[in-house]
Amino acid sequence: DAGITQSPRHKVTETGTPVTLRCHQTENHRYMYWYRQDPGHGLRLIHYSYGVKDTDKGEVSDGYSVSRSKTEDFLLTLESATSSQTSVYFCAISEYGRLDTQYFGPGTRLTVL
Amino acid sequence: QKEVEQNSGPLSVPEGAIASLNCTYSDRGSQSFFWYRQYSGKSPELIMSIYSNGDKEDGRFTAQLNKASQYVSLLIRDSQPSDSATYLCAVNYSGGYQKVTFGIGTKLQVIP
Repeated sequence: DAGITQSPRHKVTETGTPVTLRCHQTENHRYMYWYRQDPGHGLRLIHYSYGVKDTDKGEVSDGYSVSRSKTEDFLLTLESATSSQTSVYFCAISEYGRLDTQYFGPGTRLTVL
Repeated sequence: QKEVEQNSGPLSVPEGAIASLNCTYSDRGSQSFFWYRQYSGKSPELIMSIYSNGDKEDGRFTAQLNKASQYVSLLIRDSQPSDSATYLCAVNYSGGYQKVTFGIGTKLQVIP
């Protein structure tokens, strides 16, 4: 997976609890992304980062926040998890910000009960 | 709302046949088009990109783009059981590299 790891790989949590997912890269790529994938929906962009401390919202950012204090790490936080946030979350990296240079991590399966 | 439409399938083809996967999109200003392969339980993997009208070939894969009809397709020749996966279409619509919409994917089953 092109030097991308995600942790945890699986998580079960309860409604209302905070959750943080971590994406770590060893490629030194500038761009990092968080997507979610749900049945009946395509991959949807949550947030992305174009550099340390530089982030922007994607299509489905409500209920999520992100932080990037180091080039290699991009954190996704659900401040108060809801059942609608049950999903598979993919991190991706890109050297130039284009899809043809983008690689996905292995994914995190999150279940909110 | 920028839309990308794909038939979810499954599309079943016999081994050795040509698999044809189709995708339509709503934004006429879209410039870049991508096909991903996703095996069950795995992450998406980019297999083809196409930017101009016509065909683009890479091994057994051919991407076809028709901007006038807002249609992009992926042909897989000599289909193998290892091609069984879900194929995602993605469209980079006007407004920047981050403006991307993915289709729901078409599940392909290659029958030995």
